[in-house]
Amino acid sequence: GAGVSQSPSNKVTEKGKDVELRCDPISGHTALYWYRQSLGQGLEFLIYFQGNSAPDKSGLPSDRFSAERTGGSVSTLTIQRTQQEDSAVYLCASSLSGTGFFRVLYNEQFFGPGTRLTVL
Amino acid sequence: GQNIDQPTEMTATEGAIVQINCTYQTSGFNGLFWYQQHAGEAPTFLSYNVLDGLEEKGRFSSFLSRSKGYSYLLLKELQMKDSASYLCAAMDSNYQLIWGAGTKLIIKP
Repeated sequence: GAGVSQSPSNKVTEKGKDVELRCDPISGHTALYWYRQSLGQGLEFLIYFQGNSAPDKSGLPSDRFSAERTGGSVSTLTIQRTQQEDSAVYLCASSLSGTGFFRVLYNEQFFGPGTRLTVL
Repeated sequence: GQNIDQPTEMTATEGAIVQINCTYQTSGFNGLFWYQQHAGEAPTFLSYNVLDGLEEKGRFSSFLSRSKGYSYLLLKELQMKDSASYLCAAMDSNYQLIWGAGTKLIIKP
């Protein structure tokens, strides 16, 4: 079956422009995560969706960052007035989200290939 | 606060064994994940431990000690393709993953 897909794979933009990144999770996965990874660094959590709602937005670095998810499926991450420090790979992951005991088993996250954002 | 610690970089020789350590502090604990990430690629799942002890899967094994907040990933018979970053992540009481910064493993012939 299809995995997590992200588009575009690469995005080069000028400082001050807005960008929109897209994530298509695995069909049936109710949980969706956005991470940011700078070169040689670990994963920086940005936001988590359960269905269409975002119970945890704690990782968004500033109010220039926003995300939405519609229909419990596709999600978009929008960065307004991009800055050079926004340059990174933006990774999306999805997982099932069972209840009780199965919440643990089903929380394995499957990652997309990422979008490499370069802000000039 | 919540914290995951793992070495930044390790070097090992092809055919040898390497152990990558991870210590964690989380609000509650629902298991420890290890992921592998090759340069320029997305992370992929390697292992999951929730009970104390060693889980073996081919050349890779993962160990957990809940009382010590400690895990390690053991890689045997190292191959050049094992050169990658290895990410440790602990699942907290909200079933969210708290990620370490990753250990870059360099394999030399």
